[in-house]
Amino acid sequence: KQEVTQIPAALSVPEGENLVLNCSFTDSAIYNLQWFRQDPGKGLTSLLLIQSSQREQTSGRLNASLDKSSGRSTLYIAASQPGDSATYLCAVVSQGGSEKLVFGKGMKLTVNP
Amino acid sequence: AAGVIQSPRHLIKEKRETATLKCYPIPRHDTVYWYQQGPGQDPQFLISFYEKMQSDKGSIPDRFSAQQFSDYHSELNMSSLELGDSALYFCASSASGGLRYEQYFGPGTRLTVT
Repeated sequence: KQEVTQIPAALSVPEGENLVLNCSFTDSAIYNLQWFRQDPGKGLTSLLLIQSSQREQTSGRLNASLDKSSGRSTLYIAASQPGDSATYLCAVVSQGGSEKLVFGKGMKLTVNP
Repeated sequence: AAGVIQSPRHLIKEKRETATLKCYPIPRHDTVYWYQQGPGQDPQFLISFYEKMQSDKGSIPDRFSAQQFSDYHSELNMSSLELGDSALYFCASSASGGLRYEQYFGPGTRLTVT
């Protein structure tokens, strides 16, 4: 059974710092990994999707990498801003028939001005 | 660009009542997924449909049922509501046939059971 872990559960940093968010998964047989952002009480915004054959994806100040063999992904946020404050979740689609996303419990990020 | 539409956005029901949540996928998307996110929890997969047939089932209570219609929209029916059913319910859609399996999420329906 696929399990996704995000550590730490929360992070508070001053504005301007470069951040690394970690995600690990137990079964390396995945189709893809998605990073999401969720503001309190709101929906899920997809930030980046990395297919299993890819190593990284970039969008603006965000860069996500994937090391499938070790079951790890990192989301790098450059020059953090207060507007980046949100919960970040990673999720994987495992191979083997089901296309459901299995989520980690998320990391709550607070960027202080 | 068109997104996933969910209705209603907010719903308040009493215990033992019935609720119906609706999801309209992105045009030309043939797969719909339902997820439940309890307070402070990560989203949990409930059920999915591909081409109007159930494709996978997760931890969905027997009190819940769902279907996908000929126009690809989907409805989640919830009966005998319990306080613990209070949650955000997300619908997501994807286009099959490729390797991306990227799921696009709707804004969610917040269900409150009193």
